[in-house]
Amino acid sequence: EVQLVQSGAEVKKAGESLKISCKGSGYIFTSYWIGWVRQVPGKGLEWMGIIYPGDSDTKYSPAFQGQVTISADKSISTAYLQWSSLKASDTAMYYCARKRGGYNEYYFDPWGQGTLVTVSS
Amino acid sequence: DIVMTQSPDSLAVSLGERATINCKSSQSVLYSSNNKNYLAWYQQNPGQPPKLLFYWASTRESGVPDRFSGSGSGTDFTLTISSLQAEDVAVYYCQQYYSSPYSFGQGTKLEIK
Repeated sequence: EVQLVQSGAEVKKAGESLKISCKGSGYIFTSYWIGWVRQVPGKGLEWMGIIYPGDSDTKYSPAFQGQVTISADKSISTAYLQWSSLKASDTAMYYCARKRGGYNEYYFDPWGQGTLVTVSS
Repeated sequence: DIVMTQSPDSLAVSLGERATINCKSSQSVLYSSNNKNYLAWYQQNPGQPPKLLFYWASTRESGVPDRFSGSGSGTDFTLTISSLQAEDVAVYYCQQYYSSPYSFGQGTKLEIK
């Protein structure tokens, strides 16, 4: 069974750094793009960026470029989303999701269970 | 960037009745070389991650009940539930994957009337 398991909820202060994770299993991790999606409480989905763990090729949404860093460690089948200096506005649920389609077909399934990040000012 | 706009923002439908959700893209997501619409639909139940329902605008994901259908082309798309069931209460999102950033609509909240 293809699964993405994310790290647990985090409570941080503004200005702190953070790295959350997404571990893939049940498939060849290096062969599928992994995306990150933000959902502010009570709001919609925002596509943040995507990484190909095979060669670490990464694409960012302009809205998140420079705000976060997406990376992957293929030796442990894990993708990461990190912040160097959190803001209160980063408070949200963050989902990872695997690209399902073929070349240039960026729809996503399955999704991780989500990691809630709470940042206090 | 392509902007996805859904309508309505919320919808209340009686059990057994039809529910229709619309999604409009700011530019066409139909790729002329393969005549495919780069549009997906997701369902998000409360407290759960999104679940893929359709891709290529109308290709139903395995396990999705056939009361759900997707249609449309170019810039205008529709998700239809032919006979609403209680378990269909959720927020529904469209997503374009024609070009990066692969944007979502703002979501449509579907409730029981």
